[in-house]
Amino acid sequence: KQEVTQIPAALSVPEGENLVLNCSFTDSAIYNLQWFRQDPGKGLTSLLLIQSSQREQTSGRLNASLDKSSGRSTLYIAASQPGDSATYLCAVPTQGGSEKLVFGKGTKLTVNP
Amino acid sequence: DAGVTQSPTHLIKTRGQQVTLRCSPKSGHDTVSWYQQALGQGPQFIFQYYEEEERQRGNFPDRFSGHQFPNYSSELNVNALLLGDSALYLCASSLAGRSYNEQFFGPGTRLTVL
Repeated sequence: KQEVTQIPAALSVPEGENLVLNCSFTDSAIYNLQWFRQDPGKGLTSLLLIQSSQREQTSGRLNASLDKSSGRSTLYIAASQPGDSATYLCAVPTQGGSEKLVFGKGTKLTVNP
Repeated sequence: DAGVTQSPTHLIKTRGQQVTLRCSPKSGHDTVSWYQQALGQGPQFIFQYYEEEERQRGNFPDRFSGHQFPNYSSELNVNALLLGDSALYLCASSLAGRSYNEQFFGPGTRLTVL
């Protein structure tokens, strides 16, 4: 059974700092991994999708890496801004290329001005 | 290009009542999945619809049922509501048959059961 863990559960940083959010998964037989952002009480916004054949994906100040063999992914946020404050969730499909996603509990990020 | 839409935004019900939530997928998508997100938790998969059939189901009781229409929109029905059903209900859409499938989520429906 696939399980996803995100560390830390919460993170508070000053504006301008670079930071790393961590995601680990127990079953390395995944097709892809997706990072989402969620603002309080809102839906999920897709940030990055990394295919199993890729090691990195970049979008603006965001960079996500994937190491399938170790069951880990990291989301790197450069030059953080108060507008980055949100909960960040990672998700992987269950075994077999299913479109059913298994989520971590998320990391709540606060960027202080 | 319209994204995933959900209605209503908020809903308040009492125990024992029934509720219907609605979702319209992103243009061009044919698969709809429903998730339940309790406060402070990650979303939990309820079920998925493709070609008007339930294709996969998570660990949810039969009180949770759904439907997909020919235009790919979907409904989630919950009968005999319990206090524990209070949550944010999220709909996601995707295009079937692609292993690199990216899922897009709607804004959610906040259900409160009193």
